[in-house]
Amino acid sequence: NAGVMQNPRHLVRRRGQEARLRCSPMKGHSHVYWYRQLPEEGLKFMVYLQKENIIDESGMPKERFSAEFPKEGPSILRIQQVVRGDSAAYFCASSSRDSGTYEQYFGPGTRLTVT
Amino acid sequence: GEDVEQSLFLSVREGDSSVINCTYTDSSSTYLYWYKQEPGAGLQLLTYIFSNMDMKQDQRLTVLLNKKDKHLSLRIADTQTGDSAIYFCAEKTGRRALTFGSGTRLQVQP
Repeated sequence: NAGVMQNPRHLVRRRGQEARLRCSPMKGHSHVYWYRQLPEEGLKFMVYLQKENIIDESGMPKERFSAEFPKEGPSILRIQQVVRGDSAAYFCASSSRDSGTYEQYFGPGTRLTVT
Repeated sequence: GEDVEQSLFLSVREGDSSVINCTYTDSSSTYLYWYKQEPGAGLQLLTYIFSNMDMKQDQRLTVLLNKKDKHLSLRIADTQTGDSAIYFCAEKTGRRALTFGSGTRLQVQP
């Protein structure tokens, strides 16, 4: 059973370009969480999705960021018109349920560098 | 709001015990977690504890929870060089997402 997959592992974008980050949850998991880790900091929650639904986006910046988790295919975190401050590691986690002790399993992350 | 705090750095000698501390502010936290992150890698769940427990042991790992003081600790017995990493404390309440501390970098000296 493969773990949580993220791609690309490293992404370099120039200011103003778009970044698309992909996350495939573990098999059998239908809940996906995105977190952002700035250098030397902990992870900060961004958005929580189930298939075709955004459940909690309270951690998402109001502009330029969007996320989806379609019925088929991976979850996508999209950042439009990237700025240098978007440079960070973006982690995806998945779980089989949305409450209780159900652990969140993390992917290896996508390291975004904006030049 | 929710806040989780950890000391930034801990250095120990190989074979000694390591104790990593964490404090949190949300008294309604129901689960508390310890994650390990090695350089360039994702987070690995080490262990978790329910808020109605005060201790949990798993091989070389011991988690202690003082709910009154909102203090959580992770003890690693017989620390090895392979334990060198960043350790994150995280808490979860009714909200589904985890709230993380900023991480404690553990350095194990041979």
